[in-house]
Amino acid sequence: KNEVEQSPQNLTAQEGEFITINCSYSVGISALHWLQQHPGGGIVSLFMLSSGKKKHGRLIATINIQEKHSSLHITASHPRDSAVYICALHTGNQFYFGTGTSLTVIP
Amino acid sequence: DTEVTQTPKHLVMGMTNKKSLKCEQHMGHRAMYWYKQKAKKPPELMFVYSYEKLSINESVPSRFSPECPNSSLLNLHLHALQPEDSALYLCASSQVWGANQPQHFGDGTRLSIL
Repeated sequence: KNEVEQSPQNLTAQEGEFITINCSYSVGISALHWLQQHPGGGIVSLFMLSSGKKKHGRLIATINIQEKHSSLHITASHPRDSAVYICALHTGNQFYFGTGTSLTVIP
Repeated sequence: DTEVTQTPKHLVMGMTNKKSLKCEQHMGHRAMYWYKQKAKKPPELMFVYSYEKLSINESVPSRFSPECPNSSLLNLHLHALQPEDSALYLCASSQVWGANQPQHFGDGTRLSIL
């Protein structure tokens, strides 16, 4: 049983498209993180959410605590957005990772 | 550039070798983490250090031995590894260990066991 489910697993988009990646979870959380991992391996923390919505540049993250669901949106996608996007949960002292969404943006 | 520095970036070693991975941060963070990540899989937590003390060991085999000599440094000593231990090893840190703390990740060490 996965505490965190992401969809889609793989996503290909044309440059400029609006992209949505979804994360559903089944446990109570204190915070949800969206992470970005480029092919080289390093992971960058994009957002940490416990409620509502956050925006940073072309990225928007939302969370609905009641529905146990979060979304990551990318507006005006660009090839440099190509990466794996990972949803991760904080529950007390546990940290659960989703399996990731591999995004490819084609010029 | 990341604020968490891992060395080496790549490591190839035989099953009888002893080597160490190093992780360093100068953000004043008091929690540091080791993760193992296999290809196309999410990271798996191995160890958590909080205030230089081992707080979590996720049933990791004893051929992996962590060490936290001070609040800025985290090492992972490797001995008698198996081919299945080939993976990307990620280090991360956060201000303290617990909820609502973003983790800062290094770029990882890509380890290959021959």
